[in-house]
Amino acid sequence: ILNVEQSPQSLHVQEGDSTNFTCSFPSSNFYALHWYRWETAKSPEALFVMTLNGDEKKKGRISATLNTKEGYSYLYIKGSQPEDSATYLCASPPGDSSASKIIFGSGTRLSIRP
Amino acid sequence: GAGVSQSPSNKVTEKGKDVELRCDPISGHTALYWYRQRLGQGLEFLIYFQGNSAPDKSGLPSDRFSAERTGESVSTLTIQRTQQEDSAVYLCASSFSRGKNIQYFGAGTRLSVL
Repeated sequence: ILNVEQSPQSLHVQEGDSTNFTCSFPSSNFYALHWYRWETAKSPEALFVMTLNGDEKKKGRISATLNTKEGYSYLYIKGSQPEDSATYLCASPPGDSSASKIIFGSGTRLSIRP
Repeated sequence: GAGVSQSPSNKVTEKGKDVELRCDPISGHTALYWYRQRLGQGLEFLIYFQGNSAPDKSGLPSDRFSAERTGESVSTLTIQRTQQEDSAVYLCASSFSRGKNIQYFGAGTRLSVL
């Protein structure tokens, strides 16, 4: 059974501060790791797809790292802004070619205090 | 179209009625996914299509749920004899292929079963 877990469940950050949160996944049979941002009343929007151990991706003030050997990914937000308030989801499709499920974590709900 | 289109955006139905939810993916995307989010819960994977076939239907919560895809395009998710616990936001996503490609989400259908 593939479990994708995220922590913390929620996070309150002062505007301007930097923050980070974690996605953990089984390291065996790894295939890919996705990060999405889901703002209230909108659709989830892709941030990154990462496949290689040691991958680092960056999009503006947001970056992510991947460790497939120990089964975790960190998402970093530098200098948080109110528009960063959203739920951040990670997801991992199993590497087993016979399986098609994409498993999402329960998300980290980020709130930025002005 | 420019993005993933879902219809209707909102659906209110009576318990016991059948409903059909439609998803129009991005042209050229071979992979299509259905998810749902019930109130206060995370994103739950339902089913995945590669082309017109669904290799794994085990994410469907009961035999009242079915889905089909025709012409490697439009997909319909049908819920028969709806129950109150079926109330949720149903999201569709598409991608170029499974796994390593980012998913583009539609705006969702909010289903309310009275």
